[in-house]
Amino acid sequence: NAGVTQTPKFRILKIGQSMTLQCAQDMNHNYMYWYRQDPGMGLKLIYYSVGAGITDKGEVPNGYNVSRSTTEDFPLRLELAAPSQTSVYFCASSYTGTTSSYEQYFGPGTRLTVT
Amino acid sequence: AQSVTQPDIHITVSEGASLELRCNYSYGATPYLFWYVQSPGQGLQLLLKYFSGDTLVQGIKGFEAEFKRSQSSFNLRKPSVHWSDAAEYFCAVGGIIQGAQKLVFGQGTRLTINP
Repeated sequence: NAGVTQTPKFRILKIGQSMTLQCAQDMNHNYMYWYRQDPGMGLKLIYYSVGAGITDKGEVPNGYNVSRSTTEDFPLRLELAAPSQTSVYFCASSYTGTTSSYEQYFGPGTRLTVT
Repeated sequence: AQSVTQPDIHITVSEGASLELRCNYSYGATPYLFWYVQSPGQGLQLLLKYFSGDTLVQGIKGFEAEFKRSQSSFNLRKPSVHWSDAAEYFCAVGGIIQGAQKLVFGQGTRLTINP
């Protein structure tokens, strides 16, 4: 299993450009998450999904959009990029069930710079 | 509201010395508790987790953590650190938060190892 994969690893955007960060998991997890990590701030939840076709906002959703058309994929869309979106973005997944412990499995991250 | 506090932003220890990283949580029900480690430029890797049973849990890389309900703490320990332990460490509490399965992370503690 590849686990959780993210592309690209690095990206530089100009202010006002748009892009999509890709995330995929092959563990058949129903939950998927997007976080951003800023220095000294820990991880902040942007959006999450409880299954295909179901998404919801986290703590810091402004400026982002998501979709979940399949169990495996959970892309994050940045529209009109702003310098405040310079960050490291992590995708994660988890499963529910009688043996669930709420553990999340993380991808390697995407480092985004907006200039 | 659910929250996690890691009081130490940055800790420096000498190689071979013992280590304790502090974590305090606030959660209304029985908590699921986690420690993750993030090496420079990498994603988050699970060190250990607690959700029931023995309050002293063992993890990977020689780490352990002790759950103390009376103190709302879940401190991470290692008897002798290695240079490769230099990383950022995140404590998290998991559960059903606002109707969905989520983790809430502390701000992280950056560990530096002196040779």
